[in-house]
Amino acid sequence: QVQLVESGGGVVQPGGSLRLSCAASGFIFPNSGMHWVRQTPGKGLEWVAFIRYDGDEKYYGDSVKARFTVSRDNSNNMLYLQMNSLRPEDTAMYFCAKDLIGSSSPFDHWGQGTLVIVSS
Amino acid sequence: EIVLTQSPATLSLSPGERATLSCRASQSVKSYLAWYQQRPGQAPRLLIYDATNRATGIPARFNGSGSGTDFTLSISSLEPEDFATYYCQQRRIWPPLTFGGGTKVEIK
Repeated sequence: QVQLVESGGGVVQPGGSLRLSCAASGFIFPNSGMHWVRQTPGKGLEWVAFIRYDGDEKYYGDSVKARFTVSRDNSNNMLYLQMNSLRPEDTAMYFCAKDLIGSSSPFDHWGQGTLVIVSS
Repeated sequence: EIVLTQSPATLSLSPGERATLSCRASQSVKSYLAWYQQRPGQAPRLLIYDATNRATGIPARFNGSGSGTDFTLSISSLEPEDFATYYCQQRRIWPPLTFGGGTKVEIK
């Protein structure tokens, strides 16, 4: 069955960096578009980033553009999110999600999330 | 950016009752709308995609309808596990992909 397992979250100071990872299994990862979605504590969902199956197409939400970078390693079925210049408002649970169709969602499988806290 | 507005924010119902949730888009998303269920402490789960298609393994009591700017998620008879928060999400115009603010279905 499809499994997505995020890791790399933690507490970081404002201005700091963090790299999130998502280990994928149970499906053909190199054929799948992947997303990062975040959820602030007690609030709603916000789409963060998308990467095409081959890594050649990437899109970002406005609030993270130029600070976050999505990447993937198809040889090892891994998805990454490099987060730089972190701000308190980036505090959230970060989910990786698989794209059902290929590029534009919906998200048919989600990981359990990894918590990022940006605080001094 | 397409804004999705969900109503009501909270729906108080009893098990066995019918639930009707609304999602309105700020401009037409055609049929490119999905619904997700999120239980406390869990990741969201895809219920409906492209307005009317149930995702794999989703019970028949969940139904999606609508097109353009107005969409509805109906749950015909609420089971105990259906008390959760529901989100709509559009993929018609992106980036960004956008979500609604959610409707919490709580036990009355």
